[in-house]
Amino acid sequence: SQQGEEDPQALSIQEGENATMNCSYKTSINNLQWYRQNSGRGLVHLILIRSNEREKHSGRLRVTLDTSKKSSSLLITASRAADTASYFCATDSPGTYKYIFGTGTRLKVLA
Amino acid sequence: DAGITQSPRHKVTETGTPVTLRCHQTENHRYMYWYRQDPGHGLRLIHYSYGVKDTDKGEVSDGYSVSRSKTEDFLLTLESATSSQTSVYFCAINQGSMNTEAFFGQGTRLTVV
Repeated sequence: SQQGEEDPQALSIQEGENATMNCSYKTSINNLQWYRQNSGRGLVHLILIRSNEREKHSGRLRVTLDTSKKSSSLLITASRAADTASYFCATDSPGTYKYIFGTGTRLKVLA
Repeated sequence: DAGITQSPRHKVTETGTPVTLRCHQTENHRYMYWYRQDPGHGLRLIHYSYGVKDTDKGEVSDGYSVSRSKTEDFLLTLESATSSQTSVYFCAINQGSMNTEAFFGQGTRLTVV
């Protein structure tokens, strides 16, 4: 399977704390993207990091990418109850626009 | 939300019957995808299309076929539904240029009994 993996599978934190989730993938990539899914809904794009970038920020989100280790991390700072959702990473391979998703991290933020 | 609509949103069907799910977009995006989502597996790519009548297999294509006769429509067909195809199916679209995001539909919950 080409599918990537995220860890942890589930994460429960208190409001105000930071949440970190990791993604590992298997092939070379053009870019890596993170998506969020609220229960019963479609996925929503959060942030994209290119293969030649090492870190990117967007609001309370910070993404890092280590292509030598084929891994990425998503940090959500000062989490809120509304951040409760599942988070997925997705990668595409050079020469294709075929997006392969990881298995996801379920984040629960307790108020 | 991006202009992407899946139909039906829910369907219950019997084992052995054919089922077609429709994805319709109004964004004129080149790429369209069908994924299935199951607990413990995340999203897995079934088939994708990179243009009218241009399709390719994904990770879990067995038992599924697709067609794209118009830019805006991408159909997923289960020729003879099985219980293992009970899942939530998501359609996604993408412009097909470097470093662009995918937009997802709201999903179709299919139950095969």
